[in-house]
Amino acid sequence: DSGVTQTPKHLITATGQRVTLRCSPRSGDLSVYWYQQSLDQGLQFLIHYYNGEERAKGNILERFSAQQFPDLHSELNLSSLELGDSALYFCASSVEGKRGYGYTFGSGTRLTVV
Amino acid sequence: AQTVTQSQPEMSVQEAETVTLSCTYDTSESNYYLFWYKQPPSRQMILVIRQEAYKQQNATENRFSVNFQKAAKSFSLKISDSQLGDTAMYFCAFMKSQGGSEKLVFGKGTKLTVNP
Repeated sequence: DSGVTQTPKHLITATGQRVTLRCSPRSGDLSVYWYQQSLDQGLQFLIHYYNGEERAKGNILERFSAQQFPDLHSELNLSSLELGDSALYFCASSVEGKRGYGYTFGSGTRLTVV
Repeated sequence: AQTVTQSQPEMSVQEAETVTLSCTYDTSESNYYLFWYKQPPSRQMILVIRQEAYKQQNATENRFSVNFQKAAKSFSLKISDSQLGDTAMYFCAFMKSQGGSEKLVFGKGTKLTVNP
């Protein structure tokens, strides 16, 4: 157990639907990062939140949004889903100011859009 | 642009032997961090080893070590005494700073199979 909790582990939904992925960071970590892992694109950075504020955006589609709540858990909302959104979505957390420690990843949410 | 390149999509090694996974990166930063992550079939991303660019000494973690060549922008991972449990995808990653934030940029990975 890495200490980063992601739910659900698996999600199957239809095109056009909306889903919410949830992440709780490791205790004491203020930063949450979301990544998308697909077969042909590898691990792509989506967005970074620090203590409730958005810090950086990567290749995140306009149909996707995220937020971090006061208790530091984060949610990634994916709407108007397309077949190409099928992927493994990872959440990671880190200790502020400790770049050299890298990230601690959750076990991911496998999203399948049918 | 900062990129991470892993030129070996797949590799295999016999149990107990040594294997080296290659990684090159591109950056204009002077101090930075490099990482190797392992993703076994369970799909969990596990940090294997890390290297700070200003440290000339190569990092070592048990059977895992790196060959860090800063001038060549090369960061290879050596696995000694390979074990069946080392079978996994291995990702090289670079920690990039970006205006008050930082993010890990990953290579596309090398699939390593350890054969009995």
